Amino acid sequence: LAKTTQPISMDSYEGQEVNITCSHNNIATNDYITWYQQFPSQGPRFIIQGYKTKVTNEVASLFIPADRKSSTLSLPRVSLSDTAVYYCLVIFSGTYKYIFGTGTRLKVLA
Amino acid sequence: DAMVIQNPRYQVTQFGKPVTLSCSQTLNHNVMYWYQQKSSQAPKLLFHYYDKDFNNEADTPDNFQSRRPNTSFCFLDIRSPGLGDAAMYLCATSSGRTSGPDTQYFGPGTRLTVL
Repeated sequence: LAKTTQPISMDSYEGQEVNITCSHNNIATNDYITWYQQFPSQGPRFIIQGYKTKVTNEVASLFIPADRKSSTLSLPRVSLSDTAVYYCLVIFSGTYKYIFGTGTRLKVLA
Repeated sequence: DAMVIQNPRYQVTQFGKPVTLSCSQTLNHNVMYWYQQKSSQAPKLLFHYYDKDFNNEADTPDNFQSRRPNTSFCFLDIRSPGLGDAAMYLCATSSGRTSGPDTQYFGPGTRLTVL
């Protein structure tokens, strides 16, 4: 099963673009990549999900290179309220197993 | 709005006193999951149900049990809570699709304190 590796923490300033990269070297052909955001004392919240190339929604973009061994979550113009822990997950097709990585603690500074 | 609901949000129990946490969903999803999340750690999967089929993770202690009486509800029973079981317990659901991504949706969690 694919395991994910992320930076432990990142700092950014309000208004900047933040890119968080996740490594998933042994991802399988049918696996999807998903990102969640978690605030203290709350459940993880779905942000974005993708399989290859680029996916964009109203809050983020997800970039996945051709080899799919890594992915990058891009948050445009972060605000203080984006301070949270971000988790990259690989969804192992058909197994219903979700292995969370260690997560990246993002701190947005004024 | 369709959602995952957990009750109570905060639960206090005594060492060794059985406790039950509740989860309900209005998404009509086939799969329901229970996770344990300790402070500053990632959520750890305890078990999941696909419909009525129970799937336990290999390293989940026997002290943790689960029941799913119907599609909407799932319970986490801790038979004899120890101090090390104090954590946030997260319930999640997914549709159970076998082609394409099977996205999980989480409830707000129940924070368990063991005295």
